[in-house]
Amino acid sequence: VQLVESGGGLVQPGKSLKLSCSASGFTFSSYGMHWIRQAPGKGLDWVAYISSSSGTVYADAVKGRFTISRDNAKNTLYLQLNSLKSEDTAIYYCARSVTTEGIPAYWGQGTLVTVSS
Amino acid sequence: DIQMTQSPASLSASLGETVSIECLASEDIYNNLAWYQQKPGKSPQLLIYYASSLQDGVPSRFSGSGSGTQYSLKINSLESEDAATYFCLQDSEYWTFGGGTKLELK
Repeated sequence: VQLVESGGGLVQPGKSLKLSCSASGFTFSSYGMHWIRQAPGKGLDWVAYISSSSGTVYADAVKGRFTISRDNAKNTLYLQLNSLKSEDTAIYYCARSVTTEGIPAYWGQGTLVTVSS
Repeated sequence: DIQMTQSPASLSASLGETVSIECLASEDIYNNLAWYQQKPGKSPQLLIYYASSLQDGVPSRFSGSGSGTQYSLKINSLESEDAATYFCLQDSEYWTFGGGTKLELK
């Protein structure tokens, strides 16, 4: 299992960013996928989940601003981040479910998003 | 929303000792509890799922227990490589992490 995130960077408050997670080493379409973030020096914060059938769930802190999606043909997971706030500054990890659905078991290396003017 | 309270926030122990880390859920999570280890600059690694099931490749000195709202991770015979931050995660209702426990080796 390999997961590689990309798309992070410095962005101004109120702007948008789209993160990608390229997956390999497993049948991507068969697994639920998570986005989890970690502010610098802080704990883990679950962000969003998309099931193998593309059902989605969001944390209250990002609901209405972030959108998780997947392209099974490209083996890629996405996270669209809109109306960004300074408190969204974090390393964003994608992770694969332990079985077809469920807890995150395999994590990428993360991509850093910094929201600052 | 289910809240997870993890304790202690930090812990210092010697090589060979046994330590325990606790997670308290705000309601019954029916053993839907996982534990992760995160070393500095690295991604978290899954240790335990469904409260007490050891993930493949994880040393047997790690064990999990608990039920209802109270769960614990025990690490026997501490080794230097166990220095890390440990997090619990409930997946009974969506997903919520505990605040983390930083384990330092003396």
